[in-house]
Amino acid sequence: EPEVTQTPSHQVTQMGQEVILRCVPISNHLYFYWYRQILGQKVEFLVSFYNNEISEKSEIFDDQFSVERPDGSNFTLKIRSTKLEDSAMYFCASSGQGSVSLGYGYTFGSGTRLTVV
Amino acid sequence: QKEVEQNSGPLSVPEGAIASLNCTYSDRGSQSFFWYRQYSGKSPELIMFIYSNGDKEDGRFTAQLNKASQYVSLLIRDSQPSDSATYLCAVDGNTGNQFYFGTGTSLTVIP
Repeated sequence: EPEVTQTPSHQVTQMGQEVILRCVPISNHLYFYWYRQILGQKVEFLVSFYNNEISEKSEIFDDQFSVERPDGSNFTLKIRSTKLEDSAMYFCASSGQGSVSLGYGYTFGSGTRLTVV
Repeated sequence: QKEVEQNSGPLSVPEGAIASLNCTYSDRGSQSFFWYRQYSGKSPELIMFIYSNGDKEDGRFTAQLNKASQYVSLLIRDSQPSDSATYLCAVDGNTGNQFYFGTGTSLTVIP
């Protein structure tokens, strides 16, 4: 079964450092997402991406965050200057359809656990 | 901010029993409702979705939707220890481009 692949599985970084989280979506999917889950809390939407641009972003996705699809396969989330409160599990997801209202769920990747120290 | 509320649990049921998981949502405009299962330290895994009032069955799982009451539930029949996980209710946003998740209900099936 096709998978969304995320690397690394665990990233430890010092506060103020930049991190890049990487994702390889399912090959024929066109819609890409990042979510995060702080330990013990809800899964929260960060950003959706389609046709090489952001289609929607949440309040969490401020200027320190950016996303990019640098080539035909990778989808990255960059956090420019990490803060302690950025520590969370970050999930990438992809979908073949753009609207979850049509009943199309995502396929989530296995996640990257980011620890900011 | 759209709210999706779930009892955090933990909910414990004996093996073979029916587990009932509930979810309420705040936005009457929501159209699609999803149940995800999340094992500890793992990513959410889609179980099923529902968008019409009533029941939808898929194997041992039944989703129930009542839009008038803004309520969606998941029933797991013949619960197995492998069903022990956190169950996340997810509701679509206005644009249909994202989910709003509840905090999840932790289910433990006791052998």
